[in-house]
Amino acid sequence: DAGVTQSPTHLIKTRGQQVTLRCSPISGHKSVSWYQQVLGQGPQFIFQYYEKEERGRGNFPDRFSARQFPNYSSELNVNALLLGDSALYLCASSARVWDEQFFGPGTRLTVL
Amino acid sequence: GQQLNQSPQSMFIQEGEDVSMNCTSSSIFNTWLWYKQDPGEGPVLLIALYKAGELTSNGRLTAQFGITRKDSFLNISASIPSDVGVYFCAGPPNTGNQFYFGTGTSLTVIP
Repeated sequence: DAGVTQSPTHLIKTRGQQVTLRCSPISGHKSVSWYQQVLGQGPQFIFQYYEKEERGRGNFPDRFSARQFPNYSSELNVNALLLGDSALYLCASSARVWDEQFFGPGTRLTVL
Repeated sequence: GQQLNQSPQSMFIQEGEDVSMNCTSSSIFNTWLWYKQDPGEGPVLLIALYKAGELTSNGRLTAQFGITRKDSFLNISASIPSDVGVYFCAGPPNTGNQFYFGTGTSLTVIP
């Protein structure tokens, strides 16, 4: 069975631009969570979605938004990019809310 | 916000030695998860704990859910070179709607 997939693998943007990251969960999982991981730190929780509804939100500005589609895949959008948004963005899927989370390989975002 | 503190921050051990690390929080947690992360990759789930006092093993790994529900422990027996990586504890506190990761323990195994 396929694990969590994310696209793209790498992305380079400039300050002020907008970016969309995509995630497909493990088949049968209905929950998707997004994390930001800056080099040398643990992942920081951004959002969790379950059955297309937001079920959790971390301490991130409104420039960060997400949505979940009927097929349970998800997109993370970041507007008005800042240099500090450069990080590894991780997607995780789980069967239920706050359940065991399984991570994808991440998208490496570099903001210049 | 919630902080999960892991100790030690880093460890350098000889191959074959046993390893112990822990994770503490200021809040009660309903679930404790332990992950291992290699550079540039996503975290891989090692062990999940759901009840206070629970002791769970996965091969050479053993983890425990602290009875206060504010801590958890991970032990690795007979370490091997492929154990190298960063180990994170994680979970949702019993209040709030977030998921937290610890500060991480970096493990280096010397052959």
